[in-house]
Amino acid sequence: EVHLVESGGGLVQPGRSLRLSCTASGFKFADATINWVRQAPGRGLEWVGFIRNKAFGGATEYAASVKGRFTISRDDSKSIAYLQMNSLKTADTAVFYCTRDNDEWGKGTTVTVSS
Amino acid sequence: QAVVTQEPSLTVSPGGTVTLTCGSSTGAVTYGHYPYWIQQKPGQAPRTLISDTTNKHSWTPARFSGSLVGGKAALTLSGAQPEDEAVYYCLLSSWMFGGGTNLTVL
Repeated sequence: EVHLVESGGGLVQPGRSLRLSCTASGFKFADATINWVRQAPGRGLEWVGFIRNKAFGGATEYAASVKGRFTISRDDSKSIAYLQMNSLKTADTAVFYCTRDNDEWGKGTTVTVSS
Repeated sequence: QAVVTQEPSLTVSPGGTVTLTCGSSTGAVTYGHYPYWIQQKPGQAPRTLISDTTNKHSWTPARFSGSLVGGKAALTLSGAQPEDEAVYYCLLSSWMFGGGTNLTVL
């Protein structure tokens, strides 16, 4: 059974950094594209970015709203994907989800950016 | 950048049939957009019902189906149940989400 668990969320001040993790099990992690999607309070889903598998060079793409501030990486040996978030803004407050190829979703981790 | 359009809200009677649509501001939605349909119930994480236009997952109730209709992606619910009340999001090209359709079963 595919299982995705996000962790690392919490309360952080504007301008600071946070790293989220997406720990996977139940499938061949190295073959998957991992997406990060977020949902601000009371709002819809917003794609954040993805990282492809090694066959596609581990390429990454990001939404314009986070490009240059967020970085996605992966450790296939540990079946973990990371979302490094720098220069956080209050507008980044959201529940962050990771997905496997947009087919399966984790339960999310909450990030609150506030002073 | 394309805008993905969905009906903001729809209502269906229990046992009834309803079709949700997903359009693109740049033109017709095609199989090449690999449309996804994602269900989110209040307080829960999203769950993908349909991938790549028509493909169901093991957890997708048989009453849901995906298609292309009139230049849009479509999600048809036949025989609505109270538990189908949720927000349904369309996803195109793996990164463009629609604003969601709030489906009420009433």
